[in-house]
Amino acid sequence: DSGVTQTPKHLITATGQRVTLRCSPRSGDLSVYWYQQSLDQGLQFLIQYYNGEERAKGNILERFSAQQFPDLHSELNLSSLELGDSALYFCASSVSGGRQFFGPGTRLTVL
Amino acid sequence: EDQVTQSPEALRLQEGESSSLNCSYTVSGLRGLFWYRQDPGKGPEFLFTLYSAGEEKEKERLKATLTKKESFLHITAPKPEDSATYLCAVADNYGQNFVFGPGTRLSVLP
Repeated sequence: DSGVTQTPKHLITATGQRVTLRCSPRSGDLSVYWYQQSLDQGLQFLIQYYNGEERAKGNILERFSAQQFPDLHSELNLSSLELGDSALYFCASSVSGGRQFFGPGTRLTVL
Repeated sequence: EDQVTQSPEALRLQEGESSSLNCSYTVSGLRGLFWYRQDPGKGPEFLFTLYSAGEEKEKERLKATLTKKESFLHITAPKPEDSATYLCAVADNYGQNFVFGPGTRLSVLP
């Protein structure tokens, strides 16, 4: 158990819809990272937050957005969903740019 | 631009057959190189952090080494439960770039 929690574990929705994925980092970790992993693909970095502020952006689509709240939990919002957005979405946390601890992931299926 | 490549893409070993996985990287100032293990459908599990050339870390049947351009993950006498995808990642000195390689999918046959 890494100490990072993600909800929900599974999410099934339809094209065009909007969903919110939630992540709670390990106690004491200020940085939160979001990754997308499609079937048989590598981890694609989406975005990083540090203590409530956006720190780095990867290949995140404009339809996707994220935020980190004062209690340090983070949410990833995915809108206007397409079939190709079906993937595992992982959240990771770290103290500050060091090794990351990953959550169990949210499996999103867009039908 | 920071880059990480891993080879081979996939590796099948017999139980007890030792081998090595390679991670080659280019980074503008290495802050750390990280190895993770990922089982299907699960989040990556942290294995090692290496910070400077010449450093080595060991854990059970795994040993990670680091040079200025690459890292190796040596697997000694592997068991079927070592079957997983092994991911390598680098962080640069600015702490803003954390780049993962594509991984090596390891299968250990009994």
